[in-house]
Amino acid sequence: DADVTQTPRNRITKTGKRIMLECSQTKGHDRMYWYRQDPGLGLRLIYYSFDVKDINKGEISDGYSVSRQAQAKFSLSLESAIPNQTALYFCATSVTDRGAQDTQYFGPGTRLTVL
Amino acid sequence: DQQVKQNSPSLSVQEGRISILNCDYTNSMFDYFLWYKKYPAEGPTFLISISSIKDKNEDGRFTVFLNKSAKHLSLHIVPSQPGDSAVYFCAAMNIYGGATNKLIFGTGTLLAVQP
Repeated sequence: DADVTQTPRNRITKTGKRIMLECSQTKGHDRMYWYRQDPGLGLRLIYYSFDVKDINKGEISDGYSVSRQAQAKFSLSLESAIPNQTALYFCATSVTDRGAQDTQYFGPGTRLTVL
Repeated sequence: DQQVKQNSPSLSVQEGRISILNCDYTNSMFDYFLWYKKYPAEGPTFLISISSIKDKNEDGRFTVFLNKSAKHLSLHIVPSQPGDSAVYFCAAMNIYGGATNKLIFGTGTLLAVQP
């Protein structure tokens, strides 16, 4: 079984709709992240959470919100989807170990298309 | 402003030859660097990393070189194999940056290894 899972894997929606992307992990990591990938722009951080009560904005948080329901679950919401939010979305996890590697482990991605 | 740059969007090499992927960064606070590999329809997977206290790290066919004065790192794959064909992302972080240490990704280089 995959350590980091994302649902759905593909989603097509219309402008103005609310949509939620979900991420679950079985790695026992405390840190979770949401990124989006766009052609020519690499991966950009949307939100991150270092534990259940800690939520932080990344570099492109406008238009998005997140919820850390449990240590293992981190969901990303688009309250009112717009076409320029069409992208590939990745969830990632890592473990806190100050001074050591902060390797992030990624889910398989969700391809979101907003029409 | 792109803090981590991969100026070659694509690279094609022959099987058995060396692949060299390059990455430049602008933030002198970065002290930890990683390479991720991404196949289509999958999330990025961690490949190799290097701390700023080193100038070289090797893992099998993969070697990462770091030139701090030039703010440049490179990934060497020797010998290249068709299965290495993927998008390679360079990433950097300030590992001792406390609660704000986050990965900054480059835009990626698509490597094609020709049989």
